[in-house]
Amino acid sequence: DMKVTQMPRYLIKRMGENVLLECGQDMSHETMYWYRQDPGLGLQLIYISYDVDSNSEGDIPKGYRVSRKKREHFSLILDSAKTNQTSVYFCASSLGTGDSAETLYFGSGTRLTVL
Amino acid sequence: GQQVKQSSPSLTVQEGGISILNCDYENDMFDYFAWYKKYPDNSPTLLISVRSNVDKREDGRLTVFLNKSGKHFSLHITASQPEDTAVYLCAAGENQGGSAKLIFGEGTKLTVSS
Repeated sequence: DMKVTQMPRYLIKRMGENVLLECGQDMSHETMYWYRQDPGLGLQLIYISYDVDSNSEGDIPKGYRVSRKKREHFSLILDSAKTNQTSVYFCASSLGTGDSAETLYFGSGTRLTVL
Repeated sequence: GQQVKQSSPSLTVQEGGISILNCDYENDMFDYFAWYKKYPDNSPTLLISVRSNVDKREDGRLTVFLNKSGKHFSLHITASQPEDTAVYLCAAGENQGGSAKLIFGEGTKLTVSS
């Protein structure tokens, strides 16, 4: 069963706390992504990972870092969360090769609230 | 500025009509274009995609039209149904050795009224 799994689904944190968002995929996809979705802005790319320890900044990387130590896991870390990081965060993966290389498979999202 | 833009935040169409969703992009290097569908509190899923070597692709009730000179692509949904009601996100990117750094538009909320 092809799946991208995100944990947790909902999270409330206080300003200044550290936040860890986890993402896993069972499709052996090479490429993984973190996006955030805000009203009126669509999905904004935070980071992209092309494989283990091969990460690249997206359009809005400031305030975030990522970790990919295994192909199936990609973590998003917020060191000292800020209120403007309140958002819905989506993880996605793509095969990276073949006819459907670019197709993104999304997780169900994590709704993060920073108070 | 916004590299991929959907100028209409919302669209209402009568059941059975044609829904036309539009997307404009800025980057000449983009060679992959896609439409994703998103229901509330759900994750986006791919509807249809096209590469820059074609200007049209059909899949059932869905057709993507690509106008490279105008940096514009659109999604046409014929015989629109109430279950087509959702947010539609366009996306574009440049294929970089298999992966594409997809840039998404803001989304258009389509409502199909019966």
